[in-house]
Amino acid sequence: SQQGEEDPQALSIQEGENATMNCSYKTSINNLQWYRQNSGRGLVHLILIRSNEREKHSGRLRVTLDTSKKSSSLLITASRAADTASYFCATENNQGGKLIFGQGTELSVKP
Amino acid sequence: DAGVIQSPRHEVTEMGQEVTLRCKPISGHDYLFWYRQTMMRGLELLIYFNNNVPIDDSGMPEDRFSAKMPNASFSNLKIQPSEPRDSAVYFCASSAGDSQQFFGPGTRLTVL
Repeated sequence: SQQGEEDPQALSIQEGENATMNCSYKTSINNLQWYRQNSGRGLVHLILIRSNEREKHSGRLRVTLDTSKKSSSLLITASRAADTASYFCATENNQGGKLIFGQGTELSVKP
Repeated sequence: DAGVIQSPRHEVTEMGQEVTLRCKPISGHDYLFWYRQTMMRGLELLIYFNNNVPIDDSGMPEDRFSAKMPNASFSNLKIQPSEPRDSAVYFCASSAGDSQQFFGPGTRLTVL
């Protein structure tokens, strides 16, 4: 069963706008990660946030984690056409080792 | 570093044939993961290894699927016999145990 559920399933914005994607999960986690997948390619790791962290930044990316609500959000600021891709959240539970991926959000950034 | 290497990139076969997918993880990584991605089911973990030992194969769909990791630099995933519903993109990923996974480019399998 899926651990992470992403919302929205698809998002279309104009270049320069911010994009926000949300992820909810069901069980206790060790960390939560966000990955990006361009069409026809493998997934690329973007950012990892641990269960004792609430917010993390990396360039134009901002990730928040609310363990009480079992949810996370990924914000991409000042989006570019090159940000067009699918974005997945993935959770690692306290037993470690494997990740459970959500269904992903398909982001389209129009120039 | 060449990253995770998978071969072949594309495979087209007929139902009933044996399919072998190959993966070379990043040198020094002690975790290796096999995933399957379809539109209907998303990205599913099939099996993962730690130090060449299978740790969790609960995602392997049925006995037709098997995976081995004979050494730290190679793993294969076999499907015998293959069926049309096995058509998917199969990804291999590796990690150094620090949680971040590095994915290969995938093998697109089509079973006719």
